[in-house]
Formats: sequence, C-alpha cells, structure tokens
Amino acid sequence: EPEVTQTPSHQVTQMGQEVILRCVPISNHLYFYWYRQILGQKVEFLVSFYNNEISEKSEIFDDQFSVERPDGSNFTLKIRSTKLEDSAMYFCAGRSASTDTQYFGPGTRLTVL
Amino acid sequence: GESVGLHLPTLSVQEGDNSIINCAYSNSASDYFIWYKQESGKGPQFIIDIRSNMDKRQGQRVTVLLNKTVKHLSLQIAATQPGDSAVYFCAEKVVFSGGYNKLIFGAGTRLAVHP
Repeated sequence: EPEVTQTPSHQVTQMGQEVILRCVPISNHLYFYWYRQILGQKVEFLVSFYNNEISEKSEIFDDQFSVERPDGSNFTLKIRSTKLEDSAMYFCAGRSASTDTQYFGPGTRLTVL
Repeated sequence: GESVGLHLPTLSVQEGDNSIINCAYSNSASDYFIWYKQESGKGPQFIIDIRSNMDKRQGQRVTVLLNKTVKHLSLQIAATQPGDSAVYFCAEKVVFSGGYNKLIFGAGTRLAVHP
C-alpha cells in the first residue's frame, strides 16, 4: 500500500536558521497539505497546495513559510528564519481528486534551540 | 470529550470491552467527517469517515455515528484491543473559496486499553 513519506524524521536547528522539510506524497494525489502539531496539542492546518499554487493558508503560515513542489514528486515546506515557537511535529498530507480523505505522513519533529 | 492544551481527556477501558469516543464539531455546514488514530511519534492514521447524508457507518470493528442536530460525532470500537491504545482525533472538512478544503481537528482523546 502506498504511503506518504517525510524526511528528516527529526530536525534540530538553531533559532534564525532556515529549515526545509520534505515530503513525498502518494503518486496519484493532487492536493497537498502541511499541518503542524505542537507537543500534546491538536493538529493545525498550515497550508494547502494544488496545481503548483497555494490554495489556502492559515494565520500561522506567515511570510517566513513557503511551500514548493520542485520536481513533480517532492513537496517541501521551508521556514526561512526559525523561531522557538516553530518547534512542533510537521505533517504532510495528500488526497486524490476523487476523495476528501487525506492521508498523512509520519511527520518531521522540528526542534528549534 | 474536548480539552485544551496538554491535558487530553483519557478513556480507560478493559481489553475486550467496547469503547466510545466522542467529539463535538463546530461548523453546521460541514459535510464530511473523519476519525484518525495517532500512535506516539507517528502521523494520524485514517480509521473511518462519514458524509453528512449518513448518520452511521461501519467498518471493521469500528462504527462512526453522526448527529447533525447537536453537531456530535462518535467513534465506537468493538472488542477493544491493546493495539487500539492511541490518541483519537475527529476532524471536519471545511470548504473555502474555489472549492478547496482543509481539515479542522478536534483536541483528541487518549484511549488506554488495560489487559
């Protein structure tokens, strides 16, 4: 069964540094999402992406964040200048055109020191 | 139940018993709901979903009930097993302009299964 994969599984960075979180969605998915989950809290929507464009973003997704699908398979989330409060699990998700069901990756744990 | 912050409500059950996890949603216009299971250190795993034109849907050992009148969703797990121990999240689909959508998650309930 195809799965969403994410790398790295854990990223430790210094405050102010740039990080890129990577995702490989399931091949027939067309809609892509990033969510985050601060430790012990609920999963929060960050951004949705379709046809190489952002279709919706949350208030969390400010100008320090960007997303890209550089090569038709990878889907990346970049944080330009990390803050302490960016520490969280970041999940990539995707869905096909024929369903509302979103399938999630295993997540990247981002720790900002 | 719902909670905020670090204190997830916990449902403790004996192995073999049935479990019922509840969720309240906020948007009366939502037409799609989904339950995810999240084990420690892992991503949300799809369990079962339901559309608003139904009030019950069954899967393998799981049943989702939808009460649109009171905006309430429940997940029933039959014959709960130790492997069912996890945090369970409900989510509702919210549609925004252009027909795109996103999921809004509830706070989660921790299910602890005791032998």
